[in-house]
Amino acid sequence: DAGITQSPRYKITETGRQVTLMCHQTWSHSYMFWYRQDLGHGLRLIYYSAAADITDKGEVPDGYVVSRSKTENFPLTLESATRSQTSVYFCASSVGPNSPLHFGNGTRLTVT
Amino acid sequence: GESVGLHLPTLSVQEGDNSIINCAYSNSASDYFIWYKQESGKGPQFIIDIRSNMDKRQGQRVTVLLNKTVKHLSLQIAATQPGDSAVYFCAVILTGGGNKLTFGTGTQLKVEL
Repeated sequence: DAGITQSPRYKITETGRQVTLMCHQTWSHSYMFWYRQDLGHGLRLIYYSAAADITDKGEVPDGYVVSRSKTENFPLTLESATRSQTSVYFCASSVGPNSPLHFGNGTRLTVT
Repeated sequence: GESVGLHLPTLSVQEGDNSIINCAYSNSASDYFIWYKQESGKGPQFIIDIRSNMDKRQGQRVTVLLNKTVKHLSLQIAATQPGDSAVYFCAVILTGGGNKLTFGTGTQLKVEL
């Protein structure tokens, strides 16, 4: 039971580069989410998706792009990375509304 | 919107004692509440949840209490063990909020032997 997997686990990139973080879930959950975690801010929602081809902005969407062509995948792209996007990124999924989110183990991204 | 706050950034307890971690939320339209545990280098792990039509729910060694009058949530851990050392987050969903969780900033639980 793989659950929800994120890749890569660690990534270092330079300012201005495009980088994509991958998220894959094996549960066929309808909802998927991207959060970032920073000291002093806790977990903040970047984007979420209620189903394939349906995405919506969260609290901090600027500088990020998502897509959801298949139910099981929800990649997050930083179009032009900035140092302020250095963070730990968590992907999560849930079966439906008002149900627990299940998180991956995160991607630690450093932008130099 | 919703804001969520935890009362203590750090809580130290002796092994075998009970732990109580508190959380306050701002919006009375919040109707679903979840506690997560996060260990170093890992993602948040679901512990227990409670809906707004309940005021108490019990799991294995854990109890969540919900006081809607004062908008307060607590997590009680019985007989705290070293493996309980982690950061604990409460998270809240607003009615009609599209299953978007708003997280508190977390309480670091340290278990002393």
